[in-house]
Amino acid sequence: SQKIEQNSEALNIQEGKTATLTCNYTNYSPAYLQWYRQDPGRGPVFLLLIRENEKEKRKERLKVTFDTTLKQSLFHITASQPADSATYLCALDMKRSSGSARQLTFGSGTQLTVLP
Amino acid sequence: DTEVTQTPKHLVMGMTNKKSLKCEQHMGHRAMYWYKQKAKKPPELMFVYSYEKLSINESVPSRFSPECPNSSLLNLHLHALQPEDSALYLCASSQLTSGGVSYNEQFFGPGTRLTVL
Repeated sequence: SQKIEQNSEALNIQEGKTATLTCNYTNYSPAYLQWYRQDPGRGPVFLLLIRENEKEKRKERLKVTFDTTLKQSLFHITASQPADSATYLCALDMKRSSGSARQLTFGSGTQLTVLP
Repeated sequence: DTEVTQTPKHLVMGMTNKKSLKCEQHMGHRAMYWYKQKAKKPPELMFVYSYEKLSINESVPSRFSPECPNSSLLNLHLHALQPEDSALYLCASSQLTSGGVSYNEQFFGPGTRLTVL
């Protein structure tokens, strides 16, 4: 069965360092992968999308890589700040076998805490 | 306007009550979604509407009844819920390609915190 794993439930890093979060998947061939940020009691907020034919995507201090051979995505936040503290979710599209409709399946999330 | 709004923010209901959750977006998105999220868990997809038609139902119990009256509104009607249905209910929307498939990011509302007594 399909499975999405994010490297750790919680990650603490010092302000100014680079945070690296991992998303691994099995038995998928996603067309794209997305990363979201979620703050407590709020809905997820979209950060970045990377397609299967892209190796890397950047947006300001954020960088995402996508290795379809390793079935892994890495999400980096450089020069991290306490305001970056949140839960980060990876999400993969999954084509339904019964038709063309697609849906997002979320990983379990990594709670990042940036310490001042 | 890039916002998805949800009402109410909080809802407490008994197991015999009937209530509805509402979601609205004015971004012209033709795909709308309902998710359920329990504490410290990821969102789990419940329903997907494409062009106001139900396209995915993830084997959700019939005590949850979705409705999409028009392209901007999405409702979730609740009846005879169980305490284990208590969760954060999230609505989301996204664009659809010409083939009716969504390859785009989803915009989430703030959610409705539901408590079933």
